[in-house]
Amino acid sequence: DTGVSQDPRHKITKRGQNVTFRCDPISEHNRLYWYRQTLGQGPEFLTYFQNEAQLEKSRLLSDRFSAERPKGSFSTLEIQRTEQGDSAMYLCASSLELATIEQFFGPGTRLTVL
Amino acid sequence: GNSVTQMEGPVTLSEEAFLTINCTYTATGYPSLFWYVQYPGEGLQLLLKATKADDKGSNKGFEATYRKETTSFHLEKGSVQVSDSAVYFCALSDRSSSASKIIFGSGTRLSIRP
Repeated sequence: DTGVSQDPRHKITKRGQNVTFRCDPISEHNRLYWYRQTLGQGPEFLTYFQNEAQLEKSRLLSDRFSAERPKGSFSTLEIQRTEQGDSAMYLCASSLELATIEQFFGPGTRLTVL
Repeated sequence: GNSVTQMEGPVTLSEEAFLTINCTYTATGYPSLFWYVQYPGEGLQLLLKATKADDKGSNKGFEATYRKETTSFHLEKGSVQVSDSAVYFCALSDRSSSASKIIFGSGTRLSIRP
């Protein structure tokens, strides 16, 4: 399977704990995006990378959130001191910079904060 | 700012019925427009797209035409099947920044009765 993969698919944690999610984009894609989708809503943009550089962050991305893409391949999204409001589906997408405008989405990581 | 508004669901139809899901957008410049579909338990998939005014996107019997004068991108299908049951998201590519992030509507849940 050469699509976007995310791990884990589900995460249940207690409030105040830290969690980390991983995204592996399609191998030749140099752009990588993180989105958050809450129940009954469409996905909302969080941040994006071009290669290893994080070029834009949404105001939704509070100081408790950090994302990295150390070698321009996979990316991690960490949430520190989780809150119940962080419960959502976290989606990763990838694309080629100068090719099609289409973004390819992974299956998502569903986070539940108790 | 840029935004997408789509008709609220859920929409319930009988098999072979005609489908329309309305979508309008607000954007500066000339965004690309998309319909994404999310089947139960699966990730977001691009259903169709249109990159300029009067373009018609089509796939799997679904169609949508980019109408600049009415800022609309309504999704239609002449004869729906039970397998079309899913959540449909209208979206645009925000070209106001280098990210080309996607802005989604809130989604319309479609259920098709046999």
